[in-house]
This record gives sequence, C-alpha cells and structure tokens, in this order.
Amino acid sequence: DGGITQSPKYLFRKEGQNVTLSCEQNLNHDAMYWYRQDPGQGLRLIYYSQIVNDFQKGDIAEGYSVSREKKESFPLTVTSAQKNPTAFYLCASTPKAGLVSEQYFGPGTRLTVT
Amino acid sequence: AQTVTQSQPEMSVQEAETVTLSCTYDTSESDYYLFWYKQPPSRQMILVIRQEAYKQQNATENRFSVNFQKAAKSFSLKISDSQLGDAAMYFCAYITGLGTYKYIFGTGTRLKVLA
Repeated sequence: DGGITQSPKYLFRKEGQNVTLSCEQNLNHDAMYWYRQDPGQGLRLIYYSQIVNDFQKGDIAEGYSVSREKKESFPLTVTSAQKNPTAFYLCASTPKAGLVSEQYFGPGTRLTVT
Repeated sequence: AQTVTQSQPEMSVQEAETVTLSCTYDTSESDYYLFWYKQPPSRQMILVIRQEAYKQQNATENRFSVNFQKAAKSFSLKISDSQLGDAAMYFCAYITGLGTYKYIFGTGTRLKVLA
C-alpha cells in the first residue's frame, strides 16, 4: 500500500542535541511538506519541497533544516537553535507541485526535548 | 494575507444527532479550495471533504456535508447521525488555486461525541 511513513513515532532528546526526523513516501508525489503542531495553534508550515534538490522555508523555519536528495525522502533536522522544539511533527505530500490537491499525511512524530 | 478561523475550540454532540462545525476564511482570491480534515486520537490526519470555490454546489460525503457561503467566506461542516468514531479534532484548511504551495490551517475544533 502506498503512503507516508514517519519514524520514530516518539523521539526523546536532550537539549542542545540535533535530531533528525524521517519522512518517506512511496506515492510518487512531487511535493513534500513539514508541519509543526502545537495545542491550540493548528498546523504551521516549517519547510516544503516541490521537487528534488529544491526546498523553501515556510512560516517557522528558524532552527530547522531539511534536505531533498531523493523524491521519496524529506528528512527534517531540528537543530539546537530551535528554542522550543518539543512538539508533534507532521510530514505531508501532494502529487504535483503547483497542482491543487488534498494533502496526504504521515502518522507524525512526537518529539520531546528535555 | 489569507487566514482561516475556527471559532469553536470544542464542541459536543449526542450520538446520532447532528452537529455543525464553523470555519471562516479571509482571502481576496476568487479561485481557491477548501478542505476539512479529521485528526482522531491516533493523530493521523484524514481528509473528510473538499470544496472548490468555483463550484456552487455544496460538497457531500456520506454523513458529512458542507455549507459553503462564498460571499460570507464561510465553510461549515455538518456531521449527521454522529457516531462515536467521529470524535476527533477537525481542521479547516484553505489553499489558493494559483499554483502555490501554501495550505493554511485553522486552529481546529475538538469534537466530543456523547453516548
């Protein structure tokens, strides 16, 4: 079955450490997105990528970095510069960049930094 | 800038009853798309229904329907014959049809279904 996988489901890190969240899709979608979800704030866009080797900052990119070396993979690194990294992170994709479609979401990763 | 507002942080409905979740949005565009997503306790986001702004007919999907009022910029979701499995967070989302990347989400409404 096609879909988006995010691993791990729960992630714990010490403050000051970088951590990378995985996002893989086998839907052959062009565009991929990373969102952060906090209580009462909906989904906020961190980064998005419309094609391989290209990505753009979203609304809250500070303290995060991404790469898009393969079409199916879009990992997100939460760096030590992110002041409040504890949150739920969602990865999503859409079939074609610039073509309106509903987004397909992964199951999410809950990151806790202490 | 476009915004999406869900003014009801939490709603409750009795099983088998009908409930309406509100969503308003602000845009100067004429071509856009609206979505309702459901996020159950598993936190997996699931598309409930979508509406193209150019379509006058309200979208329906089984027990889910929308009341799309373009002039009022309102996009409410009606859930009929509510079931326990409908308990979830519901998010309203918007995207312009101009080929952009940015989906804008509301802050969500938590729906409780009472047995």
